[in-house]
Amino acid sequence: GAVVSQHPSRVICKSGTSVKIECRSLDFQATTMFWYRQFPKKSLMLMATSNEGSKATYEQGVEKDKFLINHASLTLSTLTVTSAHPEDSSFYICSARVTGGYGEAFFGQGTRLTVV
Amino acid sequence: RKEVEQDPGPFNVPEGATVAFNCTYSNSASQSFFWYRQDCRKEPKLLMSVYSSGNEDGRFTAQLNRASQYISLLIRDSKLSDSATYLCVVNPQPDDKIIFGKGTRLHILP
Repeated sequence: GAVVSQHPSRVICKSGTSVKIECRSLDFQATTMFWYRQFPKKSLMLMATSNEGSKATYEQGVEKDKFLINHASLTLSTLTVTSAHPEDSSFYICSARVTGGYGEAFFGQGTRLTVV
Repeated sequence: RKEVEQDPGPFNVPEGATVAFNCTYSNSASQSFFWYRQDCRKEPKLLMSVYSSGNEDGRFTAQLNRASQYISLLIRDSKLSDSATYLCVVNPQPDDKIIFGKGTRLHILP
C-alpha cells in the first residue's frame, strides 16, 4: 500500500508548550487528510478533516484554536497542539486519502504525545 | 442508527478456525467500503477494499450487500497473527469524511 510518514513518533513536552506533528504522503497525492486521536483501548476519534489549500473542518467539541491544522500542499499536513496540557496526552494519528482513487486512506505511524 | 456498527467482541477463536465479522452502515448512498486491522498501540492498516462483486485475498474474503447495507469479512484457517482489532470503514462519497466503526477485537487462541 501507499506510504504515509508521520513525525515525530513520540514526543514529551512540558505543559504550556506547543507541539507540531507532521504527516506526509510519500508516494501519492492526498487532497484530504484526517487527524485522529486515540486513548488506550478506545476507538479512533476523528478530530478534523484537512483539505489542501482550505481551512480544516473540525469535529464537534474539538477546539480549532488549540489544534491548529495546516494543509499547505498535496503531500503535507501538520497538526499543532498549542499550549499543551496533560489531558492532551494521547496517541495522534493522521491518515491521507488517495486523490481520485476508490477512497482508500493510509495511516501514518502515529505520534504518542506525553505532556508533563 | 449508528453510521457504522460492528459487534465489539471480543471474539475468542481457536487457531485454524474460520471467523466472520459483519458490519452495518446507515447511509444507503455510501460509495466505498474497507476493512482495516489495528494492532495494539499501532496505527490502522488497510486490509481490504470491499467491492460490489466481493473480493478475496488469500485467507480473507470480503462481501458487500448493498440491499441490506452490510459488509462482511471472512477469515479462513485463522492464525495467531490474525489477533487484532478489525475496523469496518465506510466512505460515503469521495469528498466526505471516512466513517469508522468502533472495531471488533479478535483473539486467536493456540
